[in-house]
Amino acid sequence: GAVVSQHPSWVICKSGTSVKIECRSLDFQATTMFWYRQFPKQSLMLMATSNEGSKATYEQGVEKDKFLINHASLTLSTLTVTSAHPEDSSFYICSGRAAETQYFGPGTRLLVL
Amino acid sequence: AQSVTQPDIHITVSEGASLELRCNYSYGATPYLFWYVQSPGQGLQLLLKYFSGDTLVQGIKGFEAEFKRSQSSFNLRKPSVHWSDAAEYFCAVGAGNNNDMRFGAGTRLTVKP
Repeated sequence: GAVVSQHPSWVICKSGTSVKIECRSLDFQATTMFWYRQFPKQSLMLMATSNEGSKATYEQGVEKDKFLINHASLTLSTLTVTSAHPEDSSFYICSGRAAETQYFGPGTRLLVL
Repeated sequence: AQSVTQPDIHITVSEGASLELRCNYSYGATPYLFWYVQSPGQGLQLLLKYFSGDTLVQGIKGFEAEFKRSQSSFNLRKPSVHWSDAAEYFCAVGAGNNNDMRFGAGTRLTVKP
């Protein structure tokens, strides 16, 4: 139980385009989902906390206009990287919270050329 | 705010040997403690968690961890390591409803044949 999926698993895009990443809780309802960013050989950096039906809460230093988060249902949260640039290239991981535990998706690798 | 320290960046053990990965946390109240494992290019998989009760918790894949309040530690152990255990291990501490989870820097485990 407590499975989280992400789509796509990897994406390559041109600089200036927008990319949407989906995070779904497959067998539980997640009122709260989290988005993390991970640089190579580093730990996870929390970007934002997403609550169903309300605006996301962004961590300090994370541009909310750059990283748009929508949590329209109890099983789906999306992260849109707007006007992506090469420095946005990274591994993005989402998680859904169930029973005080975060369950993570498999991650999405974004490469911006 | 809570914080987590994983003192060992990289550990190498021989297959079949025992393993202990260290984790120290800082938090004023009783923390929620977690160990996750991440294989290259993958998301995080929950190994085990501690909220309260018995301080020795059993997890998946033969792992266990012991919560020691006096030492502010939550070390992960396995009696006999398998080659498939090679991965990155993250200790994490959460507070309250777990909207604020902090990760350690991770420990990379290499298993020698």
